[in-house]
Amino acid sequence: SAVISQKPSRDICQRGTSLTIQCQVDSQVTMMFWYRQQPGQSLTLIATANQGSEATYESGFVIDKFPISRPNLTFSTLTVSNMSPEDSSIYLCSVVGGDSSYEQYFGPGTRLTVT
Amino acid sequence: SQQGEEDPQALSIQEGENATMNCSYKTSINNLQWYRQNSGRGLVHLILIRSNEREKHSGRLRVTLDTSKKSSSLLITASRAADTASYFCATDVRANQAGTALIFGKGTTLSVSS
Repeated sequence: SAVISQKPSRDICQRGTSLTIQCQVDSQVTMMFWYRQQPGQSLTLIATANQGSEATYESGFVIDKFPISRPNLTFSTLTVSNMSPEDSSIYLCSVVGGDSSYEQYFGPGTRLTVT
Repeated sequence: SQQGEEDPQALSIQEGENATMNCSYKTSINNLQWYRQNSGRGLVHLILIRSNEREKHSGRLRVTLDTSKKSSSLLITASRAADTASYFCATDVRANQAGTALIFGKGTTLSVSS
């Protein structure tokens, strides 16, 4: 399995500002994924981040709003830009385990509240 | 859109009872994974079952998979108060591409009272 940490664990931000969330993995991984979980809802994939290439965004998510960096094989950041209260969610990063099992592991999440 | 649909949406039981949650999905899959989430925290991976497997056990957990019906079930036996959580099933976003991102069901909220 992979051990994943996220920073910050939570934050309260004012509308119109931006927040950058960091995701650190204890091993090198090819793909990292970012998900959003709105209050009381399930998880929705935002984008897939590959090292050395542009992130691939899912329908409904755009790079200007959720820019992603992937500078190396153990680290990624997700920025939530120009925030509005609708962005209040838990943001989670995940990776697929290093073995061939395809088990996917998640970070502890960043709980964002926008006021 | 959601790939998986869990039912029931909410389940309340007493300690010691068994809890069964079901998940249905729409497209062909490589694997199906079950996760637990306590109180809006991170997801804990419970079990992965491959498309060519029909049943898998892990401690008090038993997962079944019926690809003909596109459904899976998670059984928790002898439940404990600590099992109180939301449970999600998830399948690969891209059919026939294992190891990619996941699409999640809506989840079942399990409440176990002592």
